[in-house]
Amino acid sequence: NAGVTQTPKFQVLKTGQSMTLQCAQDMNHEYMSWYRQDPGMGLRLIHYSVGAGITDQGEVPNGYNVSRSTTEDFPLRLLSAAPSQTSVYFCASSYEGTRTYEQYFGPGTRLTVT
Amino acid sequence: GENVEQHPSTLSVQEGDSAVIKCTYSDSASNYFPWYKQELGKGPQLIIDIRSNVGEKKDQRIAVTLNKTAKHFSLHITETQPEDSAVYFCAASIGGNQFYFGTGTSLTVIP
Repeated sequence: NAGVTQTPKFQVLKTGQSMTLQCAQDMNHEYMSWYRQDPGMGLRLIHYSVGAGITDQGEVPNGYNVSRSTTEDFPLRLLSAAPSQTSVYFCASSYEGTRTYEQYFGPGTRLTVT
Repeated sequence: GENVEQHPSTLSVQEGDSAVIKCTYSDSASNYFPWYKQELGKGPQLIIDIRSNVGEKKDQRIAVTLNKTAKHFSLHITETQPEDSAVYFCAASIGGNQFYFGTGTSLTVIP
C-alpha cells in the first residue's frame, strides 16, 4: 500500500492564480480531511469528507473548495490564491476501528503564494 | 466548535528523564484523543490514542491519561531518548471525522 499520497510536494503561485492539490489513499478509508499547518498554530481543519459524495467545512474553509467523487481521491482547490494561503497542506484519511479512529497523513504540500 | 489548548510549547529534558505534555479541550462531546509525533519535513504520525471510556493507556515508554470531568488529557514519555526529539500534537475528535489539534510541543532530548 502507498498509503496517503499528495502532489505536488512544492508549489509557488502568484496572487490570484488557482490550482488543485491532489490527495489519494489506497486503504479504502471512508474519512478524509485537509489541514493547513502554520508556525505556532498547529494543524487547522479546512474541509473533511465522511464518504464519497459527502463533504463539509472545517475551521478555516474560506478560499478553498473540495469534492469527493470516489473513495480514493479528495482534491483541494484554491480558487484565487492569496499570500495568506502560504502554508503547508496535509491530507489525511481515517477509518472507524473497534477502538480507534487512526488518521494517516500524507507527506504534505508546501505552498508559497507571492 | 472544539478548542484544544496544549502546554508547554517547548520542552527540554535530559536523556533518561520523563516528559509530560498537557492538553485541555472544551467540547464534552469529544470522545477520541490521539497524540501525534511530527518529525521535520514529514506528516504527523499517530503514537498513542485513547477513547473517552478509558482513563489511561500505556504502550511501552508512552502513556496517555484522560480526565473527562476536568476535560484534560496528558502524554507521558518515560526514559526519554534522543530519537524522541520531535514536535508532538494532541487532538480531540467527535466520532473520528473532525479532528481539532493543539498548537504543538517541541520536545528536545539532550544526550
